[in-house]
Amino acid sequence: NAGVTQTPKFQVLKTGQSMTLQCAQDMNHEYMSWYRQDPGMGLRLIHYSVGAGITDQGEVPNGYNVSRSTTEDFPLRLLSAAPSQTSVYFCASSTLDSVSGNTIYFGEGSWLTVV
Amino acid sequence: GQNIDQPTEMTATEGAIVQINCTYQTSGFNGLFWYQQHAGEAPTFLSYNVLDGLEEKGRFSSFLSRSKGYSYLLLKELQMKDSASYLCAFYGGATNKLIFGTGTLLAVQP
Repeated sequence: NAGVTQTPKFQVLKTGQSMTLQCAQDMNHEYMSWYRQDPGMGLRLIHYSVGAGITDQGEVPNGYNVSRSTTEDFPLRLLSAAPSQTSVYFCASSTLDSVSGNTIYFGEGSWLTVV
Repeated sequence: GQNIDQPTEMTATEGAIVQINCTYQTSGFNGLFWYQQHAGEAPTFLSYNVLDGLEEKGRFSSFLSRSKGYSYLLLKELQMKDSASYLCAFYGGATNKLIFGTGTLLAVQP
């Protein structure tokens, strides 16, 4: 029972480099999302997806791209990393069924430092 | 627009009861979550309210009033391990976004 698998756990990037944070879930969830969390702040939504082939912007989408080619995977791409993107990133997935009860499963987090 | 507010910090004594409030504004609403997050870890699910009223789950209870855009998390018999951030989040709106508050950092003192 893997749940939500998020990699890498730690990464140091140089300004201008690109990288992809991987997120995979094995629960057949429709909804997947990426958040960033900065010190003293809550989780801010970057991008989200309600199903394969469908993505949309969250609260802080600038500097990030996503795609959802399969139900299982939802990678987050930083095309040209900036120090302002130093943060902890969480991937989350859930069903879209809000009637029978709904829980959201988080990955363990990715600590990203841009120098 | 969508907005969610909760206190930044709270302090309580071991064995006591604490209530963490959360207010929200949204054009569409499907449910409200409470999550606990210890430093350096992912959030863990505590409760989910869809209907008005109180949901009790052991030492933790969560209340929702949809008409007032208000929820609270009640923690009873506080333990030192309850020191953590508590995140309120609503799920809904036209695009089914899950939006979090900034979290309430609870410090439980002996």
